[in-house]
Amino acid sequence: QVQLVQSGADLKKPGASVKVSCKASGYTFTSFFLHWVRQAPGQGLEWMGMINPNGGDTVYAQKFRGRVTMTRETSTSTFQIELNSLRTEDTAVYYCASPDCSSLTCPLDYWGQGTLVTVSS
Amino acid sequence: EIVLTQSPATLSLSPGERATLSCRASQSVRSNYLAWYQQKPGQAPRLVIFAASSRAAGIPDRFSGSGSGTDFTLTISSLEPEDFAVYFCHRYGSSPWTFGQGTKVEIK
Repeated sequence: QVQLVQSGADLKKPGASVKVSCKASGYTFTSFFLHWVRQAPGQGLEWMGMINPNGGDTVYAQKFRGRVTMTRETSTSTFQIELNSLRTEDTAVYYCASPDCSSLTCPLDYWGQGTLVTVSS
Repeated sequence: EIVLTQSPATLSLSPGERATLSCRASQSVRSNYLAWYQQKPGQAPRLVIFAASSRAAGIPDRFSGSGSGTDFTLTISSLEPEDFAVYFCHRYGSSPWTFGQGTKVEIK
């Protein structure tokens, strides 16, 4: 079965960078786009962008352009998101998620367990 | 960007009652690429409905979705104890993918 397993919680200071990883298993790694969604404490869900594991093309939400980088490593079936110039308002649970089909017209069926990133001085 | 507005923010109901959740889009949602997710505290969201009215795998038939264009509804016909959670609507299919702010269904 499809599994997305994320790296553990992290604490960063304002201005620093953070990397969160997401290891995929249970399906052909290059089959489905991988999305990143975050959720600030007590708040709603916010889409950050997506990556095509075939070739590595990315689409980022405008809010994060210039500050976010999404990558994939085919040899280890792992995705990664890096967010730079962290601010306290970046404190959130970061989720990786994927659809169950190779088309962009599919919702997010599978989710990682989430990674809490805390930004505090 | 298509903005999704959910109402009400909180729905206080008793087990066995019917829940009706609304999601309104600022522009028409192409091909009804509208999904609903359930989220419980400390858990990742779980897909409930996709394509406005199709139930995801393993979702009981007390959950139903309807609507098209800019107005969508999630209905839970008879609330079970495990249904009390936060529900988010979600527009997918083209960038930027967006979410509503959520409706909390709480026990009255």
